[in-house]
Amino acid sequence: AQSVTQLGSHVSVSEGALVLLRCNYSSSVPPYLFWYVQYPNQGLQLLLKYTTGATLVKGINGFEAEFKKSETSFHLTKPSAHMSDAAEYFCAVSEGNTPLVFGKGTRLSVIA
Amino acid sequence: GAVVSQHPSRVICKSGTSVKIECRSLDFQATTMFWYRQFPKQSLMLMATSNEGSKATYEQGVEKDKFLINHASLTLSTLTVTSAHPEDSSFYICSARDLITGGEKLFFGSGTQLSVL
Repeated sequence: AQSVTQLGSHVSVSEGALVLLRCNYSSSVPPYLFWYVQYPNQGLQLLLKYTTGATLVKGINGFEAEFKKSETSFHLTKPSAHMSDAAEYFCAVSEGNTPLVFGKGTRLSVIA
Repeated sequence: GAVVSQHPSRVICKSGTSVKIECRSLDFQATTMFWYRQFPKQSLMLMATSNEGSKATYEQGVEKDKFLINHASLTLSTLTVTSAHPEDSSFYICSARDLITGGEKLFFGSGTQLSVL
């Protein structure tokens, strides 16, 4: 069965600092991996996804994530945090023909 | 921890019939529930936002008469796919927002696979 672990339910960074949100997954087959963001009072928005091909995936708003099979990780990064990045971030895994399985989410706070 | 129960996990129905999917928050009150549709190998598509005691807000392109959403209590929201057709075959996933933790924490159901023959 698939599973996702997001390390750290809450991450706080200073404006302009590097953002690193960790995600480790478990899957019996090559996974499809996703990062979603939820802004207050809104539904989920897709940031980026990995299906096949290049392991470094670039998404919206300057975010990117790298699929590392050897580490079963798909960490999300952004070089410089903006205040507007404050939100809840969810990592998710699918085996293609299965429903997405989500991590518990990481709340990102950005300090001025 | 907070749990969202979604039933059924899998349903197969004939074209033209209606199917109801339930989403329950088991140990918390959910003022807001979201319904998503997921196509194989693709990401989620938000269908509607359901607020307890009021009409659901549908995303553009989602037929509200076809996908009926009811959120009659703080622990239950239902999605009814009316007059289902094969193109409605998909995964449907609900999520619920926990009121107690300040309204922002989101929990997900395990999904319903709908197959319309």
